[in-house]
Amino acid sequence: QQQVKQSPQSLIVQKGGISIINCAYENTAFDYFPWYQQFPGKGPALLIAIRPDVSEKKEGRFTISFNKSAKQFSLHIMDSQPGDSATYFCAANNDYKLSFGAGTTVTVRA
Amino acid sequence: DADVTQTPRNRITKTGKRIMLECSQTKGHDRMYWYRQDPGLGLRLIYYSFDVKDINKGEISDGYSVSRQAQAKFSLSLESAIPNQTALYFCATSDPRGTGEQYFGPGTRLTVT
Repeated sequence: QQQVKQSPQSLIVQKGGISIINCAYENTAFDYFPWYQQFPGKGPALLIAIRPDVSEKKEGRFTISFNKSAKQFSLHIMDSQPGDSATYFCAANNDYKLSFGAGTTVTVRA
Repeated sequence: DADVTQTPRNRITKTGKRIMLECSQTKGHDRMYWYRQDPGLGLRLIYYSFDVKDINKGEISDGYSVSRQAQAKFSLSLESAIPNQTALYFCATSDPRGTGEQYFGPGTRLTVT
């Protein structure tokens, strides 16, 4: 049973547009919520992460919004670029173990 | 991440064969993990080790075993491979003094025929 539910499975966005990926969880013991970016043939790499005492974190064009009461968090990619085309995974940490969402494949059309 | 290496990168094997996937890291991290990635399922934890003497099962350990030979080395074995174990396998490390970030190797694509 997947502990972190991620949607959508895939999305296509035009260059300059906004990509939004949503994740939800049930386990209130999760204490750290990272997003990983994976390019074909590569391992996932940390993109941005947030802790539950913060409602939003922004790094460049990437923003995490976190709603603790709803047990939901999302990744926003602003001004999407073709180089952002990748698979994105949300995750949640409990006791130094990560539970991953199913992944979202983002395609940015030039 | 070049600091975490996996061998082999690709492997095709037959049903019933024993196979070992190896992971080495130069990051000096105590914690190491093995995941498998399947389309539509994300990454699922197979085994993890918080130090050389510590081995723990993850959510999908059946059919797999591991060995932590040293702080830097963590191997995953499939004792008798089955087609259902065809997947992408990733090793990862993390620093217990860090933020919780895990650093992933480049992966091993395993096909069981």
